[in-house]
Amino acid sequence: DVKVTQSSRYLVKRTGEKVFLECVQDMDHENMFWYRQDPGLGLRLIYFSYDVKMKEKGDIPEGYSVSREKKERFSLILESASTNQTSMYLCASTESGLGELLNQPQHFGDGTRLSIL
Amino acid sequence: AQTVTQSQPEMSVQEAETVTLSCTYDTSESDYYLFWYKQPPSRQMILVIRQEAYKQQNATENRFSVNFQKAAKSFSLKISDSQLGDAAMYFCAYRSSSGGGADGLTFGKGTHLIIQP
Repeated sequence: DVKVTQSSRYLVKRTGEKVFLECVQDMDHENMFWYRQDPGLGLRLIYFSYDVKMKEKGDIPEGYSVSREKKERFSLILESASTNQTSMYLCASTESGLGELLNQPQHFGDGTRLSIL
Repeated sequence: AQTVTQSQPEMSVQEAETVTLSCTYDTSESDYYLFWYKQPPSRQMILVIRQEAYKQQNATENRFSVNFQKAAKSFSLKISDSQLGDAAMYFCAYRSSSGGGADGLTFGKGTHLIIQP
């Protein structure tokens, strides 16, 4: 089974801090994603990466950056945390491909509930 | 850009009965993939069922089935013989066929399903 591991289940930080959320997958997937989940808003894509050192902005990238130095690891960075970034953050991965491979699901981690005080 | 709409923020059903969760989407693409994910209180996102737009046959997975109406851009989920373990948030999601699956999923806002014993 695919395993996507997020380093923290709960995290509390202060405004202005630099925050790192880490995600590791064990299935050699090319594609990795960071989503933010808020009540009533569903999941929204922050950033994604299709290869090492490659990154693309999603729908809500403002205030975030990412790093992918190794294929298995994808980090989300809050450069200067603000209270409006209090949320649940979900990491996901999937293999790349065309045709039938596109019906492969994204595999999600258990989420990090981040509180910014 | 694609959008996914789940018009039912919350649904309630008696145990052993059938419930249908609605999902509509907007896209200009002709080829794409649709998914239903379940998120129980444990927060783990679990794939329930998937549908390829080029397949006319509706997908079925045990007690879960979809009614895929491509012309109407509708993708509803039917849960038969509801069980207490089905209680969760359900998210409808869309994936484009372009980009090799690298460009993430577009999610609806979710439907909270309550199972009455």
